[in-house]
This record gives sequence, structure tokens and C-alpha cells, in this order.
Amino acid sequence: QSVLTQPPSASGTPGQRVTISCSGSNSNIGSHSVNWYRQVPGTAPKLLIYKNNQRPSGVPDRFSGSKSGTSASLALSGLQSDDEAHYYCASWDDSLSGQGLFGGGTKLTVL
Amino acid sequence: EAQLLESGGGLVQPGGSLRLSCAASRFTFSDYAMNWVRLAPGKGLEWVSAISGRSGHTYYADSVKGRFTISRDNSKDTLNLQMNSLRVDDTATYYCAKADVSFVGGDFFHMDVWGKGTTVTVSS
Repeated sequence: QSVLTQPPSASGTPGQRVTISCSGSNSNIGSHSVNWYRQVPGTAPKLLIYKNNQRPSGVPDRFSGSKSGTSASLALSGLQSDDEAHYYCASWDDSLSGQGLFGGGTKLTVL
Repeated sequence: EAQLLESGGGLVQPGGSLRLSCAASRFTFSDYAMNWVRLAPGKGLEWVSAISGRSGHTYYADSVKGRFTISRDNSKDTLNLQMNSLRVDDTATYYCAKADVSFVGGDFFHMDVWGKGTTVTVSS
């Protein structure tokens, strides 16, 4: 069971707006920024959002991130069929000597 | 565009060892921290280890601490992961991933370039 908690699944229809949540604690999300990745099975993960709400170049503004306290969320607007993928949140954790954490992942289905 | 290419995966028996490598190109390797991340069948992404750019400070997930060793050779633009005492639950595709700063963690844990991965299967 992951320290960062995500819903295992989410869904929406084309054009809709979907949000995916990520819940952590004071030692991770509460202290450090959150990043979001997308992975299509069989391909490498791709960075979507970094430092809570920053988009790397090439990522469309349909994707947005936010953070409040020990939780974060990823929003996808104007849902498209090729948005079907697994989405992961990630953050650093200060416990012990420090280590990285990923959420358990959310499988997004476009209906 | 920065590129990463992993190698060294394969089939190994429980208790065995394997050494993964990641060849970096098209960026100044020594300027950036590097990570290993794995994806086990039917599971989610798991961060495995990281190493800073020049000082070589290392960090490990609890699940691999004491069994895996991360290292880098900045003269050869290569990242390595020595995996000992392998267990069945180490079976996964292993990705190397680049940070966009030289140090590890904190508010700079994001990984902007990923390799295509190399598959490790631990089975008798």
C-alpha cells in the first residue's frame, strides 16, 4: 500500500473535466512539492506537472495541478480518448534519510 | 534532446545478482542527479534509488536498502545499479530517469527525461 494515496480508477467522457487526487502526510506532500506523471502501458512515464502546478514545455494547458496542505490534485480538462493512461503523483519524503515516493496510480478511462 | 538507454536486464534466480546500466547522451551528465524507478507487473511505479550529480550522495527505497547499490561514472556518462540478493518481487521493468538539478529530493524530485526501460525477471 502506497504512502501517497490515489483512487485506483477514474473515468470521464470526451470533453469532460476530470480530477485525480493524491493524499499524503506532513513528511511528504506537506513539506515538498508534488509532481505528476502519465504512463501508457508499454511506454516510459512522462512528466506532466512539476512543483505542484508547473507544466514542462510541450504539455498542453488542459493539464493543471494544485496542492493544499497534505493533498494534491491533477485536473484534465477537455478529455480526449488518448488521455487514457495511468497517472501517478510523486513527492519526496523526509522520513529516515529521505526517499522518493509515488502514489499507487490512477487508471483513467475515457468512456 | 537528452536521451537515456538502459541495459543489463534479464532472467536471474532468486538470491542472484544483476548489474543494470544506463547510458546518457546529449546533456552534461555530471550536472544532474539520476534516479532508478521500477514498474512491477500489475503494480504501480516505485522509486528505487537516486544519486546526486557530482558529490555522489546516494538514496534508497527501504525495499532495496542493503541489497542494491547505485553508482555513476561521470567520465563515461553512465549510471549503474548493482542488484544483489534478488527476490521474486524485484521482478520489474527498471527505468533510469534524469532530474533537472544536481541534487536529490526536496522540491526538486521531478524527473524530466526517462529511458525506455530494461526488464528484470527473478524466477527459479
